[in-house]
Amino acid sequence: DTGVSQNPRHKITKRGQNVTFRCDPISEHNRLYWYRQTLGQGPEFLTYFQNEAQLEKSRLLSDRFSAERPKGSFSTLEIQRTEQGDSAMYLCASSFTKNSVYNEQFFGPGTRLTVL
Amino acid sequence: DAKTTQPPSMDCAEGRAANLPCNHSTISGNEYVYWYRQIHSQGPQYIIHGLKNNETNEMASLIITEDRKSSTLILPHATLRDTAVYYCIVRVGDFGNEKLTFGTGTRLTIIP
Repeated sequence: DTGVSQNPRHKITKRGQNVTFRCDPISEHNRLYWYRQTLGQGPEFLTYFQNEAQLEKSRLLSDRFSAERPKGSFSTLEIQRTEQGDSAMYLCASSFTKNSVYNEQFFGPGTRLTVL
Repeated sequence: DAKTTQPPSMDCAEGRAANLPCNHSTISGNEYVYWYRQIHSQGPQYIIHGLKNNETNEMASLIITEDRKSSTLILPHATLRDTAVYYCIVRVGDFGNEKLTFGTGTRLTIIP
């Protein structure tokens, strides 16, 4: 098991273009989270899934953002009509939650998005 | 979730114990204290968590004051690889929603 993987690691795009990021969680982890991190700040929660169900979305997740986890395994985060303010590191994390026991979130290396 | 206050930066000599403080004066009875760290260019990594008792694992120790208004993360023998940003997070421990709210953390630099 190699941990949480994210692709691509870096993405440069022009303002107005659409981008899609992929996250592959640790196998059998039922929860998957997306966070965004800008320079000098801690990660900010965007959304999370339990299996294929999206259970919570932050107010940060505008209508230009959409996330899916169609089969309860990998997830994609799409940003439509990108803006310069979307430039950030997008982090994915996964955990296995069962019986109300805390299980740590394992984070991937992130996808760094630069919008020109 | 309760707000936390951490010093923006700290230095520690290699081989010495690194003591990272966190104030959480508005913590409520059902809120846990969690610590994560983020090494440069990597995603955050879980370190430890606790409610009111002191906790220890292979990475660190967590000391929570009796009134729970503050805590200290202790790295007993700091190495250069411990250079990172350390985040103290306080949140309700219902474990039904594991959303983490990160602050700006403490940038710990281990000095050779």
